[in-house]
Amino acid sequence: TQLLEQSPQFLSIQEGENLTVYCNSSSVFSSLQWYRQEPGEGPVLLVTVVTGGEVKKLKRLTFQFGDARKDSSLHITAAQPGDTGLYLCAGAPGNNRLAFGKGNQVVVIP
Amino acid sequence: NAGVTQTPKFRVLKTGQSMTLLCAQDMNHEYMYWYRQDPGMGLRLIHYSVGEGTTAKGEVPDGYNVSRLKKQNFLLGLESAAPSQTSVYFCASSRTSGGNNEQFFGPGTRLTVL
Repeated sequence: TQLLEQSPQFLSIQEGENLTVYCNSSSVFSSLQWYRQEPGEGPVLLVTVVTGGEVKKLKRLTFQFGDARKDSSLHITAAQPGDTGLYLCAGAPGNNRLAFGKGNQVVVIP
Repeated sequence: NAGVTQTPKFRVLKTGQSMTLLCAQDMNHEYMYWYRQDPGMGLRLIHYSVGEGTTAKGEVPDGYNVSRLKKQNFLLGLESAAPSQTSVYFCASSRTSGGNNEQFFGPGTRLTVL
């Protein structure tokens, strides 16, 4: 059973469109992280959300942590080709080892 | 700072051959990790280390061994490679453990076992 479920697995959109991807769990997390992985590279941390209901913005990316701290979403406004990549959410359950979801593959077509 | 480096970048092995993947970090991090990434499976933890001289099993440890003789290096060994070990391997490091701590990843090693 996957601890963190990400949906949709794959999303292809035109440049300039908006998109939202989701990370869901039945477990409660003290914090969740979002990483972005570009082809041929390792994941890079984008943001950590720590408070239920928290919203963090990183330029055109908006991250939200659910009130119950079981889920998170990533919204991209006016997507650019540079936003193409695999978005991974990650959280540490009680044993403190980070667990990753399978990722949201986003492709932005110019 | 180079961050986390991995060698080699690519490797092709025949079934039954052995090899060692090297990971090095220059951030003085205590924690180091080895993951494998397969299509549709996400990142899965193979082994990890909480400090020099210590190692522990992760989610998918079978067929792999690790060593952390020096704080900056974490080695992943395959004693007898199998086609099921064809994957992209990532090393990562972090200052401490827990969900609040950023993991820094290397660029990956793409391994094919024929």
